[in-house]
Amino acid sequence: NAGVTQTPKFQVLKTGQSMTLQCAQDMNHNSMYWYRQDPGMGLRLIYYSASEGTTDKGEVPNGYNVSRLNKREFSLRLESAAPSQTSVYFCASRRSGGDYNEQFFGPGTRLTVL
Amino acid sequence: GQQLNQSPQSMFIQEGEDVSMNCTSSSIFNTWLWYKQEPGEGPVLLIALYKAGELTSNGRLTAQFGITRKDSFLNISASIPSDVGIYFCAGREGDAGGTSYGKLTFGQGTILTVHP
Repeated sequence: NAGVTQTPKFQVLKTGQSMTLQCAQDMNHNSMYWYRQDPGMGLRLIYYSASEGTTDKGEVPNGYNVSRLNKREFSLRLESAAPSQTSVYFCASRRSGGDYNEQFFGPGTRLTVL
Repeated sequence: GQQLNQSPQSMFIQEGEDVSMNCTSSSIFNTWLWYKQEPGEGPVLLIALYKAGELTSNGRLTAQFGITRKDSFLNISASIPSDVGIYFCAGREGDAGGTSYGKLTFGQGTILTVHP
């Protein structure tokens, strides 16, 4: 099992450009999450998908859109990148069933917006 | 939204020393999780706690779910250089069950440096 995979690992964009961050998990998890990590602020939830076909806003959704393509894949899109979106982005998934709350993270995408 | 207060923000210790860090919240949590993040990597789950008062160990790591359900601590005994990293607490608010879809709140992290 690869767990949670993310592409790309690094990306540099100019202000106004768009891009999609890809995430996939092979653990058959129902729920998937997108976080951003900024220095001194821990991880903040951007969007989540409780199950295939559903998505909901998290704490900091402005400037982002998501797509839950199927059970395995959950993508994050920046339509018009801004320097404030320079950050490290992590995708995570949560095991299904019961009341488990453990989330498993991918290796991250390091995004710089100039 | 809910915030977790994690302390200390950073620690500089000698190899072999014990380490203690904690997280507190203003509301009740039903789950506490502890993660470690190494440079350039994603957070890796160390310990999961689901019951008030629960004490769980994972090798040299021990974590406890506070009786009040508003705090948790993580201890590392006999630290070694590979313990270096950022340690995050995370929690899920409320009583067991509910419909928060497993959303977690994260602490700001404790940066641990171990000198050989």
